[in-house]
Amino acid sequence: EADIYQTPRYLVIGTGKKITLECSQTMGHDKMYWYQQDPGMELHLIHYSYGVNSTEKGDLSSESTVSRIRTEHFPLTLESARPSHTSQYLCASRSRGEAFFGQGTRLTVV
Amino acid sequence: QKEVEQNSGPLSVPEGAIASLNCTYSDRGSQSFFWYRQYSGKSPELIMSIYSNGDKEDGRFTAQLNKASQYVSLLIRDSQPSDSATYLCAVREGSSGYSTLTFGKGTMLLVSP
Repeated sequence: EADIYQTPRYLVIGTGKKITLECSQTMGHDKMYWYQQDPGMELHLIHYSYGVNSTEKGDLSSESTVSRIRTEHFPLTLESARPSHTSQYLCASRSRGEAFFGQGTRLTVV
Repeated sequence: QKEVEQNSGPLSVPEGAIASLNCTYSDRGSQSFFWYRQYSGKSPELIMSIYSNGDKEDGRFTAQLNKASQYVSLLIRDSQPSDSATYLCAVREGSSGYSTLTFGKGTMLLVSP
């Protein structure tokens, strides 16, 4: 059973607001990932981390930032939300094998 | 650029038929291969993993790997309407602590009653 949690599950926020999407895992995995996915579309990797104090940008350019101060925690921050940020954000973690996904955060920027 | 290719579909099969989903990958050094199922609006869930050439069976699911052809497939026997989802192929490249996991774009499967 995967133990990776994302909060909030749903978020509606106004343009220009700063938001942080939380992701935590209790499996001790070193690698963590953030994906952005629009309905019916492919996963886009926006950030990843190989471990504490490691963060890398993914394939899709994103205006978000991430931090990895603790192994279990990988938050994603949008300094100024825009309607174009409306999407589903999925967090995942893995050790050497398969990745486990959180339930996702559906973000709507109005 | 390491690539994982899947036919986007939709693949339509009648209930009870065998659904065959295919995936090719570009990196010959790839070590591990995974199939995920994603229902609409949900997050991907792991259904199969395969690490060596040949077949691996789990219930109605069979994963097939051919490293020489850089090809991995998923067979779903006795397809059910509840199998209708998008199936993602994922490939792990490298064996070090810096290994990457690359996802294909997914194949949508529709099983009609």
